[in-house]
Amino acid sequence: QQQVKQSPQSLIVQKGGISIINCAYENTAFDYFPWYQQFPGKGPALLIAIRPDVSEKKEGRFTISFNKSAKQFSLHIMDSQPGDSATYFCAAMDTGRRALTFGSGTRLQVQP
Amino acid sequence: GAGVSQSPSNKVTEKGKDVELRCDPISGHTALYWYRQSLGQGLEFLIYFQGNSAPDKSGLPSDRFSAERTGGSVSTLTIQRTQQEDSAVYLCASSLSVGTGGETQYFGPGTRLLVL
Repeated sequence: QQQVKQSPQSLIVQKGGISIINCAYENTAFDYFPWYQQFPGKGPALLIAIRPDVSEKKEGRFTISFNKSAKQFSLHIMDSQPGDSATYFCAAMDTGRRALTFGSGTRLQVQP
Repeated sequence: GAGVSQSPSNKVTEKGKDVELRCDPISGHTALYWYRQSLGQGLEFLIYFQGNSAPDKSGLPSDRFSAERTGGSVSTLTIQRTQQEDSAVYLCASSLSVGTGGETQYFGPGTRLLVL
């Protein structure tokens, strides 16, 4: 019940295209859903996060879509750039417990 | 301001030896977390400290793993009698824990542990 399932495992997108990464969860106690970006040799860095009381949040080229009834959420990267090439992790948290449960990660490659 | 710092950045040890990994959280952050990142298991929670409360140790994989946090700031993760399956990147994170955005966890660069 603690799992967060993430897909796809890897993604290749052309420069200027849209990258879409999907996640699904089971634990209804989760109430905070962040996305992290990780470059090789670095720690994960928060990209954008959402709470379940909203269905969408946009920050620049990054948008989270959230479907509470389906227990799914997704990250959309608009106008993808080569500098976006990294591994992306979705995560979920029960803010009463604070531990993040991570998806398995998506390796994004944006081709110039 | 400075982010989360961890030391050493890399550690190579022999099977059976003990290792200590250090984390310096962001100044003013009351919550501190340890995670492990490995090829086989992905990113997994290990332990969480919040102020002076008893830590949440529910993610520690075995009793060879322990952690402490001194003075509400610096934390040390200790792995006793290391095994090859302990090879991973150990990540530390900290957060404000309260208030708007308090749930946001900021990660350090990690310590890459290799057990030979």
